[in-house]
Amino acid sequence: NAGVMQNPRHLVRRRGQEARLRCSPMKGHSHVYWYRQLPEEGLKFMVYLQKENIIDESGMPKERFSAEFPKEGPSILRIQQVVRGDSAAYFCASSPQSQGRAEAFFGQGTRLTVV
Amino acid sequence: QQQVKQSPQSLIVQKGGISIINCAYENTAFDYFPWYQQFPGKGPALLIAIRPDVSEKKEGRFTISFNKSAKQFSLHIMDSQPGDSATYFCAASITDSWGKFQFGAGTQVVVTP
Repeated sequence: NAGVMQNPRHLVRRRGQEARLRCSPMKGHSHVYWYRQLPEEGLKFMVYLQKENIIDESGMPKERFSAEFPKEGPSILRIQQVVRGDSAAYFCASSPQSQGRAEAFFGQGTRLTVV
Repeated sequence: QQQVKQSPQSLIVQKGGISIINCAYENTAFDYFPWYQQFPGKGPALLIAIRPDVSEKKEGRFTISFNKSAKQFSLHIMDSQPGDSATYFCAASITDSWGKFQFGAGTQVVVTP
């Protein structure tokens, strides 16, 4: 029973490049959430997706950031033209579809370093 | 504007002692309050959670106390062990928004032998 899988675990990008982060939710989970954690800070909500739908993107920066959760395959968080301020740990969480459940399980994160 | 405020920022406790972490929230619509434990280089892991219809929940050495009128909740770690050394985050969410949490800033707990 694999947990939430994120890859890569570590990613180094030069300024101006694109970063692509992947998240495979737990089996049977159809809700995916992306969070960003800056050093010495708590996690900040970015976006909530279900299969083929963005439900809530209120925490996403207006530019350069996008997310998708296709019918097949993992959820992708894409950061275009990365800048040093994008350096952070990005966590994905998933939760089951059953109504009333509010537990979310986190992956181990992708640590993005922009040089 | 930080909707969940957590204190203290760090905590040192001796083995066998009690660790207490406090959180306060503003949004009265929150109805789910989990605590997450995070070790360095790892993702947060759910430790214990409470809903506002109870004032206390205990699981092993971990207890959540909840004060709805004061909009505060706290985590107590009894008989603290060196393996409890980690960063602890409180969080709050609304059931209709599963997984969309407002996190506190975290408390780094160090348990000395």
